[in-house]
Amino acid sequence: QKEVEQDPGPLSVPEGAIVSLNCTYSNSAFQYFMWYRQYSRKGPELLMYTYSSGNKEDGRFTAQVDKSSKYISLFIRDSQPSDSATYLCAMSSNTGNQFYFGTGTSLTVIP
Amino acid sequence: SAVISQKPSRDICQRGTSLTIQCQVDSQVTMMFWYRQQPGQSLTLIATANQGSEATYESGFVIDKFPISRPNLTFSTLTVSNMSPEDSSIYLCSVYPSVRETQYFGPGTRLLVL
Repeated sequence: QKEVEQDPGPLSVPEGAIVSLNCTYSNSAFQYFMWYRQYSRKGPELLMYTYSSGNKEDGRFTAQVDKSSKYISLFIRDSQPSDSATYLCAMSSNTGNQFYFGTGTSLTVIP
Repeated sequence: SAVISQKPSRDICQRGTSLTIQCQVDSQVTMMFWYRQQPGQSLTLIATANQGSEATYESGFVIDKFPISRPNLTFSTLTVSNMSPEDSSIYLCSVYPSVRETQYFGPGTRLLVL
């Protein structure tokens, strides 16, 4: 079983839609949860990070962590064509410096 | 956050040759990493570049194939040696600034080996 599972998509939505991106994980020791956005031919860009459970909101983006279900989500409201990218989830535990990444979900927002 | 640059941004190389990728950070950082990203796969950690000492390699990666230098706290190089087409990938450096739980990535180097 992989440490982190992420549906690769691709996901295609019309402009203005609400997008839900998800990852599941198996290691209950994970405490730090991150979402990265990667545009084509660019490096991953940190979008959101949260510690432990709960929600975090930043503009149109909301990150949710449900540790009891080992499930994290990223919601994008009022999606824009500029949101078209690959979204990677990542997580790490309190000990060590190793990060575990999902395979990424490819999102296209159609004008 | 940290601003990270990589050189070259892309290259096409012949089988059997070597390529050195440079990573420059705009501030001193303790921890710097090298990753490989292949299509449809998650990021794979190659090694941790340690300043003043030998890099720490992950399982499946060896120093002879991927020698790493880290002469100071703002710079590192990764060499891909004796390349084969299987080495075609995106190579990314990343850093930990003072906030341990976040990691920032460079723009990547796209390598194609013919």
